[in-house]
Amino acid sequence: GENVEQHPSTLSVQEGDSAVIKCTYSDSASNYFPWYKQELGKGPQLIIDIRSNVGEKKDQRIAVTLNKTAKHFSLHITETQPEDSAVYFCAASWGYGGSQGNLIFGKGTKLSVKP
Amino acid sequence: KAGVTQTPRYLIKTRGQQVTLSCSPISGHRSVSWYQQTPGQGLQFLFEYFSETQRNKGNFPGRFSGRQFSNSRSEMNVSTLELGDSALYLCASGDRDINKGAFFGQGTRLTVV
Repeated sequence: GENVEQHPSTLSVQEGDSAVIKCTYSDSASNYFPWYKQELGKGPQLIIDIRSNVGEKKDQRIAVTLNKTAKHFSLHITETQPEDSAVYFCAASWGYGGSQGNLIFGKGTKLSVKP
Repeated sequence: KAGVTQTPRYLIKTRGQQVTLSCSPISGHRSVSWYQQTPGQGLQFLFEYFSETQRNKGNFPGRFSGRQFSNSRSEMNVSTLELGDSALYLCASGDRDINKGAFFGQGTRLTVV
């Protein structure tokens, strides 16, 4: 079955710096790669996602890149702010026809942004 | 649109009991998935329902079961509770178009004593 590895497990940056979180997946059938942000006491919040037919996607300060050949994808956050501090999860799925398939999650990265 | 609603938010049960958790998806969403989140194992997929049919199932024992109703609301049941079942149980709902992603509720925190 699918396995998703996520690195680093913790990341500390200064406000205004960039943060990069990397994930690798094992199943070449996976075609959907979302990223979630989870704050304390809350459920995961979808922040950006990418399909396997796209190499890069941006949304303001957040971008995701996908390398299908190497089976890895990355989250890039620019101009980090203290409110970006949270646990970030990557996931992989082979969703189809209205179904989300099943999301296989990485172990998470705790991002701390220091003012 | 209202988000995914899970009830109850917190639950304390005794070993050996059973529990039922409820999830109301975002209006119009037909896919509902359940996940277990623990500090040690992280987020693990339990099962997915789409139009009242179980589409996928994770690697959990048969004590974990679920169902989905015609209005897309879903319930999951855990029988013969064990201490290790203590976790945050999360429900996610999805649109027919997978490109729109899956959205999580705030979860139900289950503590088994």
